[in-house]
Amino acid sequence: NAGVTQTPKFRILKIGQSMTLQCTQDMNHNYMYWYRQDPGMGLKLIYYSVGAGITDKGEVPNGYNVSRSTTEDFPLRLELAAPSQTSVYFCASSYSMRPGYEQYFGPGTRLTVT
Amino acid sequence: DAKTTQPTSMDCAEGRAANLPCNHSTISGNEYVYWYRQIHSQGPQYIIHGLKNNETNEMASLIITEDRKSSTLILPHATLRDTAVYYCIVRPMNTNAGKSTFGDGTTLTVKP
Repeated sequence: NAGVTQTPKFRILKIGQSMTLQCTQDMNHNYMYWYRQDPGMGLKLIYYSVGAGITDKGEVPNGYNVSRSTTEDFPLRLELAAPSQTSVYFCASSYSMRPGYEQYFGPGTRLTVT
Repeated sequence: DAKTTQPTSMDCAEGRAANLPCNHSTISGNEYVYWYRQIHSQGPQYIIHGLKNNETNEMASLIITEDRKSSTLILPHATLRDTAVYYCIVRPMNTNAGKSTFGDGTTLTVKP
C-alpha cells in the first residue's frame, strides 16, 4: 500500500490564484481530513469527510473548498489565494473513529502565497 | 475535546529513557489519551493511546495517572531518530478522529 499520497510537494502561488491540492489513499478508509500547519504551530483541521459525498467544516474552513466523489480521493481547493494561506497542508485518513483506528498522514504540501 | 498542556521542549541523552509529560486536568470519563509525533517536515505519526490503564507497544509506553489528569509518554531507549515534536491529544471515544485538536506539542531533542 502507498498509504496517503499528496501532490504537489511544493507550490508557489501568486495572490489571487487558485489551485487544487490532491490527496489519495489506497487503504479503503472512510474518513479523510485536511489540516494546515503554520510554522512552529500545531495542526488545524480545515475540512473532513466521513465518506464519499459527505464533507463537513473543521476549525478553519474559510478560503477553502473540498469534494469527495470517491472513497480514495479528497481534493482541497484554494480559491483566490492569500498570503495567510501560506502553510504546510497535510491530508490524513482513518478507517473508523473508534479507538485503535488511527489517522494516517500524507507527506504534506508546502504552499507559499506571494 | 479536553485541552492539554505540554512543555515546549525537552532534551534527552541518546540511549536513555525519554519521559514526556502531558497535563489534561479537564479530561472526562469517555475521553482517550493519544500521542502522535511529527518528525521534521513529515506528516504526524500515531504512537499510542489509552483510556485509564497503562499501555505499551513496540514504540513506547503510556502511563496514565489514577485520576487521569495527566499522563507520561515513555520512549525507553531514545535514539537520534526520535527527535521530533510530540503531541498529546485527548478525544472522546465516539468523536471523529479528525476533530482532535493538535496543540503545539513538545519538541524532543535527543542528543548524542
